[in-house]
Amino acid sequence: GAGVSQSPSNKVTEKGKDVELRCDPISGHTALYWYRQSLGQGLEFLIYFQGNSAPDKSGLPSDRFSAERTGGSVSTLTIQRTQQEDSAVYLCASSLARSWADTQYFGPGTRLTVL
Amino acid sequence: SQKIEQNSEALNIQEGKTATLTCNYTNYSPAYLQWYRQDPGRGPVFLLLIRENEEEKRKERLKVTFDTTLKQSLFHITASQPADSATYLCALYYSGNTPLVFGKGTRLSVIA
Repeated sequence: GAGVSQSPSNKVTEKGKDVELRCDPISGHTALYWYRQSLGQGLEFLIYFQGNSAPDKSGLPSDRFSAERTGGSVSTLTIQRTQQEDSAVYLCASSLARSWADTQYFGPGTRLTVL
Repeated sequence: SQKIEQNSEALNIQEGKTATLTCNYTNYSPAYLQWYRQDPGRGPVFLLLIRENEEEKRKERLKVTFDTTLKQSLFHITASQPADSATYLCALYYSGNTPLVFGKGTRLSVIA
């Protein structure tokens, strides 16, 4: 079946603009995760959705970052008033999980460049 | 806070040899440790999971060990092939709803 898909694959924006990144998880996966991967850095956790529970937003770096998940499926990560330091690859993953221990399936990522 | 170190940013190895990658952590041991492979322009792909009470896990040419005394996991690829060239990430899971903590990865190049 289809894996996790993300769009767009690349996004170039000007500093100060808002961007929306989309993630389509694997059908039936209840958990969805967003990560950020900067050059030479490990994956940085941003936010975690699990079923109907309140999302874990503990990794969001500032209030310019927000995410929502509609109907328990598609998720959108929004970055408002983008800054150059927001440039990174944004990865989405999903799992069947009831916890963080289960295997996560990653999408190909969205490469965001803020000029 | 927990720190993870993967032995080096890059590792070059001759085809056919065994590649050994290291993941060291500080403080307390995780409940699980996972290894992922990441190719350029792609997301990580899960390879193996090893639990705190397990010493070794194998999958085809891959072997993972977990030494809670040394606070270290070793990831081995035997009979390495150029197709094994990729970045390998370790990730630690502790408990409850704490997020996975990822290392920065080691870029492995297998030279024919």
